[in-house]
Amino acid sequence: RKEVEQDPGPFNVPEGATVAFNCTYSNSASQSFFWYRQDCRKEPKLLMSVYSSGNEDGRFTAQLNRASQYISLLIRDSKLSDSATYLCVVKRSGNTPLVFGKGTRLSVIA
Amino acid sequence: DTAVSQTPKYLVTQMGNDKSIKCEQNLGHDTMYWYKQDSKKFLKIMFSYNNKELIINETVPNRFSPKSPDKAHLNLHINSLELGDSAVYFCASSQDPGVDTQYFGPGTRLTVL
Repeated sequence: RKEVEQDPGPFNVPEGATVAFNCTYSNSASQSFFWYRQDCRKEPKLLMSVYSSGNEDGRFTAQLNRASQYISLLIRDSKLSDSATYLCVVKRSGNTPLVFGKGTRLSVIA
Repeated sequence: DTAVSQTPKYLVTQMGNDKSIKCEQNLGHDTMYWYKQDSKKFLKIMFSYNNKELIINETVPNRFSPKSPDKAHLNLHINSLELGDSAVYFCASSQDPGVDTQYFGPGTRLTVL
């Protein structure tokens, strides 16, 4: 079983739609959680960190459920420019690496 | 200004050759990383260096040898290239290994024929 699991998609949604991505992680020692975005043939970029109380950044809302080891990302009012692969990432404390999920591909269609 | 840069961007070579990929960051970070993203798009850590010292080595074949001449540079040398080495290699950096935000370079697409 992979340490971080995501639905690979693709999710094809019309502009303006709300879309939600889910992610589960298996290592209960994970301490930090993130969503990264990766455009086609580009490098991953941090979209947002995920905090225990949930957090919002504009149209993006991230939630964490430590008991269920589950992370989510909600995108409201989707834009064409949101089309990308969204990577769920976890990290244990200290000198440990980021662990990436395989990503969920989103295509926003006009 | 480019924060994390890698050269070359594309590398096509024959099996059995030796090649190097260079990485430089101008962010003043202490920690640098190499990741491999394979054809299935799975991104996995290979190595991490903090202040020129190796701190993470994730079961990578010893044909891969990272070298950090100073904390702004982390180069990756690969000996005896194999078909399975074909992938995109990303360099990244962060302020220190415990800090979460990592900044990635644009990637080097390696194709082994």
